[in-house]
Amino acid sequence: DGGITQSPKYLFRKEGQNVTLSCEQNLNHDAMYWYRQDPGQGLRLIYYSQIVNDFQKGDIAEGYSVSREKKESFPLTVTSAQKNPTAFYLCASSSGTPTDTQYFGPGTRLTVL
Amino acid sequence: GQQLNQSPQSMFIQEGEDVSMNCTSSSIFNTWLWYKQDPGEGPVLLIALYKAGELTSNGRLTAQFGTTRKDSFLNISASIPSDVGIYFCAGLNFNKFYFGSGTKLNVKP
Repeated sequence: DGGITQSPKYLFRKEGQNVTLSCEQNLNHDAMYWYRQDPGQGLRLIYYSQIVNDFQKGDIAEGYSVSREKKESFPLTVTSAQKNPTAFYLCASSSGTPTDTQYFGPGTRLTVL
Repeated sequence: GQQLNQSPQSMFIQEGEDVSMNCTSSSIFNTWLWYKQDPGEGPVLLIALYKAGELTSNGRLTAQFGTTRKDSFLNISASIPSDVGIYFCAGLNFNKFYFGSGTKLNVKP
């Protein structure tokens, strides 16, 4: 079954701790994305990567970091510098072609206590 | 970043009714996508549109790529309770995706 997996589904962390969210895809997609979604809101882009070993900041990158060492994997670290980290985090991927379609993972709900 | 204007924000309808929602932008897009998101889940792709004027159906869902390339419409016919959720539009322009803020659909049995 091809798709995007995110783990864990729910994550709890104490304030001041860094936490890493996992995202893996087996769709052979070049591009991967991280979005943040707050209650009743749309999607805001945190970081994206068009190719392995390269990534760019999105609209709300402050307090977050990413790596793209493998095509299949795009982990997101929420650092202690992120002022309001509690949110629903969505990972997505796309082929990167001109007629492109973006597919989403099931999401991780992060709660910082 | 740029956001698409999606309307309405929410809808309360009776089971069996038809539903229409739309997205507009001041920019041209090459691809329009429509997603449905259930609470606590990731958005699921419903329909993808790649050509101006294109009309595509997926069961009771029909979506159109506006001829100006600046808008798209989603229609749901004969709504049922499981249609409840948030519907998002997305446009692709220069390898970047832009999202609407969502239409929350409530269906009364």
